[in-house]
Amino acid sequence: QVTLKQSGPELVKPTETLTLTCSVSGFSLRNARMGVSWIRQPPGKALEWLAHISASDEKSYKSSLKDRLSISKDTSESQVVLTMTNMDPADTATYFCARRTRFRAVVSGDAFDMWGQGTMVTVAS
Amino acid sequence: DIRLTQSPSSLSASVGDRVTITCRASLDINNFLNWYQQKPGEAPKLLIYAASTVQTGVPSRFSGSGFGTDFTLTISSLQPEDFAIYYCQQSFGHPQLTFGGGTKVEIK
Repeated sequence: QVTLKQSGPELVKPTETLTLTCSVSGFSLRNARMGVSWIRQPPGKALEWLAHISASDEKSYKSSLKDRLSISKDTSESQVVLTMTNMDPADTATYFCARRTRFRAVVSGDAFDMWGQGTMVTVAS
Repeated sequence: DIRLTQSPSSLSASVGDRVTITCRASLDINNFLNWYQQKPGEAPKLLIYAASTVQTGVPSRFSGSGFGTDFTLTISSLQPEDFAIYYCQQSFGHPQLTFGGGTKVEIK
């Protein structure tokens, strides 16, 4: 059974650094067809992709936030960590980790097929 | 970044209705387009990938179509459990991935 379990603070102060952990089970972070992304959703708003790490440790970030984001993984511990610096009230959102899978049968099959439970992070003093 | 525009932003429909949601990309994305369903307080759920491939376990009343810039998600006969928000997402612009603004399907 594939699961992604998130952990991290629900409240951070402005200017602080947010650290979120996604602990995965049921699949390996070494699987070449799979990677893990972080996605956020401000209250009542749409989803926003933030960062991705592949099986080969290739990292990518949303262009407008790349100076504040860092993604890493510990394959032996099956964990993916996102850090976001200089938090602002505008960063208040539910943060999700999600498995991104490249489906074999279809060349363009590349989607988020499993998700963590979400962490509602409030930025306030 | 590739922009995805969904329409309508919300709709009201009755159980049994046929519902169609549109997603338009700001440039040609081939068929690198996915659809998700999100219910209140829950994580999104993958419905359709590669524009028209139904994810395993998703009811057959859900279907997707389109290529290039215009895509459609259709629910052939709306069920009570289908009232939710639906999002499209593109992976053509990798590494920059984007989602549409969402379409809320409400009970009429």
